[in-house]
Amino acid sequence: KNQVEQSPQSLIILEGKNCTLQCNYTVSPFSNLRWYKQDTGRGPVSLTIMTFSENTKSNGRYTATLDADTKQSSLHITASQLSDSASYICVVGWRKASYDKVIFGPGTSLSVIP
Amino acid sequence: NAGVTQTPKFQVLKTGQSMTLQCAQDMNHEYMSWYRQDPGMGLRLIHYSVGAGITDQGEVPNGYNVSRSTTEDFPLRLLSAAPSQTSVYFCASSYGAPGNTIYFGEGSWLTVV
Repeated sequence: KNQVEQSPQSLIILEGKNCTLQCNYTVSPFSNLRWYKQDTGRGPVSLTIMTFSENTKSNGRYTATLDADTKQSSLHITASQLSDSASYICVVGWRKASYDKVIFGPGTSLSVIP
Repeated sequence: NAGVTQTPKFQVLKTGQSMTLQCAQDMNHEYMSWYRQDPGMGLRLIHYSVGAGITDQGEVPNGYNVSRSTTEDFPLRLLSAAPSQTSVYFCASSYGAPGNTIYFGEGSWLTVV
């Protein structure tokens, strides 16, 4: 069964500190992996997308890594800001017939405090 | 540039009532979909459409209907609302299949009492 797990479920860090969020998946055949940021009361917004051949991708202070062999990904946030407080969702794409499908992880809730 | 627009933002329904959540996108995307988001769970796909006139069921389609008469619009209909349908609903679109970036609407908060 295709599944996406994320850890930790929630995290509180001080402003300015770094943090790393984890995503493990059992999805086959793997197509791509994305990270989304979802602010409270808003829709998810794309941060990064990586295909099988990519093992790292950055978007400002966000850096995603992918290890397709171990089926793990991480999202590293550098020098956190209060505006980073949000839920971070790992989304894994897989191919069925001629279309990609996606499965969403449950998300990690990040709180950045002053 | 409006992107994906959903209405209403909030709605309270009584059990057994029907309603339609509206969704429109102005990016000429072929692929549109509806998800529901419940606490502690990932977004789950309700229905999707790969183009005007073509729809298909997702992971949790029971109790919902969709239609796609135009490229821009993809309404979601609740036929007879049940408390289990209390959730946050997101409409999304992407160019081609969801292998590309998915753009989400702002969400519709639905409570069924």
